[in-house]
Amino acid sequence: GENVGLHLPTLSVQEGDNSIINCAYSNSASDYFIWYKQESGKGPQFIIDIRSNMDKRQGQRVTVLLNKTVKHLSLQIAATQPGDSAVYFCAETVFGNEKLTFGTGTRLTIIP
Amino acid sequence: DTAVSQTPKYLVTQMGNDKSIKCEQNLGHDTMYWYKQDSKKFLKIMFSYNNKELIINETVPNRFSPKSPDKAHLNLHINSLELGDSAVYFCASRDSYNRGGLPETQYFGPGTRLLVL
Repeated sequence: GENVGLHLPTLSVQEGDNSIINCAYSNSASDYFIWYKQESGKGPQFIIDIRSNMDKRQGQRVTVLLNKTVKHLSLQIAATQPGDSAVYFCAETVFGNEKLTFGTGTRLTIIP
Repeated sequence: DTAVSQTPKYLVTQMGNDKSIKCEQNLGHDTMYWYKQDSKKFLKIMFSYNNKELIINETVPNRFSPKSPDKAHLNLHINSLELGDSAVYFCASRDSYNRGGLPETQYFGPGTRLLVL
């Protein structure tokens, strides 16, 4: 499944399928991007990051893609599991800067 | 061995009251933050402190006063609470020198759910 939105969009994916969460960032000067996962009742948790000198970075079951031309970031989660259900946020900053700017978030629901 | 902790977890109070939220991190980080998350899950930075000094103040009403007694603690005091202050408040910390070799990121606490009646 794939979803783009400005308000808190919701994406439902069958367990075992792949999911893609998209994010449009605002500042063309941003050079460091982070994806966070926020489970219900908890604080945001770091998933994966990428610097602007890369266009792809892979982690365990997660891949982040960066397209600086159109200021777009995506998070791919492979073989989704029920524990992947959460709200996912992208965040942008200038590397070394104190301030993170968060996107609006996407609620991912994994259907068993 | 909680990295970033906040107290209380829940706070229900009447309009006009004064309340404080406490945050502590045991990561050895030198920078701490307060964020506000509204009912639509939007996360916005409020304050940032580096080694007990204020470095970011995002036009937050002066009813909100952060205090950092040392670099491991950043407390948030709120005077004359208003209905619109109801939200989840998150504390976060970061190592600005990235000495641990970890990602250049912020680590968040579990949040304090504030409800103003």
